[in-house]
Amino acid sequence: QVQLQESGPGLVKPSETLSLTCTVSSGSIGSYYWSWIRQPPGKGLEWIGYINYSGSTNYNPSLKSRVTISVDTSNNQFSLKLSSVTAADTAVYYCARHRGKGMTSDAFDIWGQGTMVIVSS
Amino acid sequence: EIVLTQSPGTLSLSPGERATLSCRASQSVTSIYLAWYQQRPGQAPRLLIYGASNRATGIPDRFSGSGSGTDFTLTISRLEPEDFAVYYCHQYGTSPFTFGPGTKVDIK
Repeated sequence: QVQLQESGPGLVKPSETLSLTCTVSSGSIGSYYWSWIRQPPGKGLEWIGYINYSGSTNYNPSLKSRVTISVDTSNNQFSLKLSSVTAADTAVYYCARHRGKGMTSDAFDIWGQGTMVIVSS
Repeated sequence: EIVLTQSPGTLSLSPGERATLSCRASQSVTSIYLAWYQQRPGQAPRLLIYGASNRATGIPDRFSGSGSGTDFTLTISRLEPEDFAVYYCHQYGTSPFTFGPGTKVDIK
C-alpha cells in the first residue's frame, strides 16, 4: 500500500520560505499526479497545486505567485516551496495522490498524515 | 472558481440514524468530478466517494453519494460511532480545485 510522509520545518519566520517534502513509499511516483493541500487550524481545506513525475504543474491562482512544486523521481519525492510567508500561511500541510494514473482531474485517494507549519518570529 | 457550499454546518444525530449532507456548487460540476471526504479529529481526510456516487476502496456500503449539476448529497444510512466526524465535498473538474467548508456530524 502506497504511503505518503510529509517532512520539513515546523516553524518558519515571516517573510521567509516554507519548504516541505513528501516522500512516496511502497510505490512509484511515476504515472500519477500529486497534490499539496493545506488546512489552517480549525478551518477547511485549500488546494495548493499539483505535479506529476515529469514536472508538469498547476497551481491555485490565489497562491501562484509564491508557490513552486518540484519532483525528484530518483528519491520518489515531491516538494513544496511557499515564499514570503505570513501568519496566514500557518496550517497543516498535506500531500496527496490523485486516484487515477495520469489523471489531473481526480479525487485524492491517498493522503499523508500532515505536518503542522507555524509562521512566527 | 467554483464555490462549494455545504449544509447544514452541524448535524446532531444519534447512532443508528440516517444522515443526509448537502453540497451545492456555484456553477455546474461534471458529476464525475465530485468527491466526498471524511475527516476525524487529528487525522488526514479520507476519500469516501468519487465521481459523485462511487465508493472508494474499503468504504462501507452505508455511505452513498448522489446528485448532478450543482446539487450533490452524501447519505450515511445508519450512523456508526466512528462516523461522527467532519465531511467535505470537493470538486476537481475545474481548476482551481475547491472544497466545501464542511459539515460536522456530531452525537446528539
